Amino acid sequence: AQKITQTQPGMFVQEKEAVTLDCTYDTSDQSYGLFWYKQPSSGEMIFLIYQGSYDEQNATEGRYSLNFQKARKSTNLVISASQLGDSAMYFCAMREGYNFNKFYFGSGTKLNVKP
Amino acid sequence: NAGVTQTPKFQVLKTGQSMTLQCAQDMNHEYMSWYRQDPGMGLRLIHYSVGAGITDQGEVPNGYNVSRSTTEDFPLRLLSAAPSQTSVYFCASSGTGYDQPQHFGDGTRLSIL
Repeated sequence: AQKITQTQPGMFVQEKEAVTLDCTYDTSDQSYGLFWYKQPSSGEMIFLIYQGSYDEQNATEGRYSLNFQKARKSTNLVISASQLGDSAMYFCAMREGYNFNKFYFGSGTKLNVKP
Repeated sequence: NAGVTQTPKFQVLKTGQSMTLQCAQDMNHEYMSWYRQDPGMGLRLIHYSVGAGITDQGEVPNGYNVSRSTTEDFPLRLLSAAPSQTSVYFCASSGTGYDQPQHFGDGTRLSIL
């Protein structure tokens, strides 16, 4: 079974609007971390935001926030007020507490922001 | 403020040649890893290390060797390059623990002719 599932291969959003990128995960561990990365066309991987399994509040970092629904095992990334520079691939990832030696990455969502 | 440094950024090899991709980090991270990313795809783990002298295989280890003699360095060796190894290679490091994000180098774009 896939550990991380991103079901949206591609998304379009109008500049200045908000967009939600979906991510579901699969683990039986109680302790785990969830991460989102951005990969612009230049290729580097940029860490955006983190959510821990015990966090009671949704994580926020500037225009990025997570909609963390533990019971549904989902951690959706919300980007508010989209900018042209947000056009990129976005990867969701998980690290389990029991075996934190492995990161599991999703297949990514390609976001295009339209002017 | 170097973080994770990968060299070279670009390399072209002929089939059968060997080479080493260098990776160094200055954050005193115990955990380091190598990934490959093929066009339009996600990351696949090649090898990882949880400290000096300790390495283990990821999901696609064949054709690659690693060693970890220091905390800072984690080189990846291609033993006999094949066209199927044409890819972008990323090195990453992190602290141990499930709450630690990985920090990535800028990648090495490798073409095997």
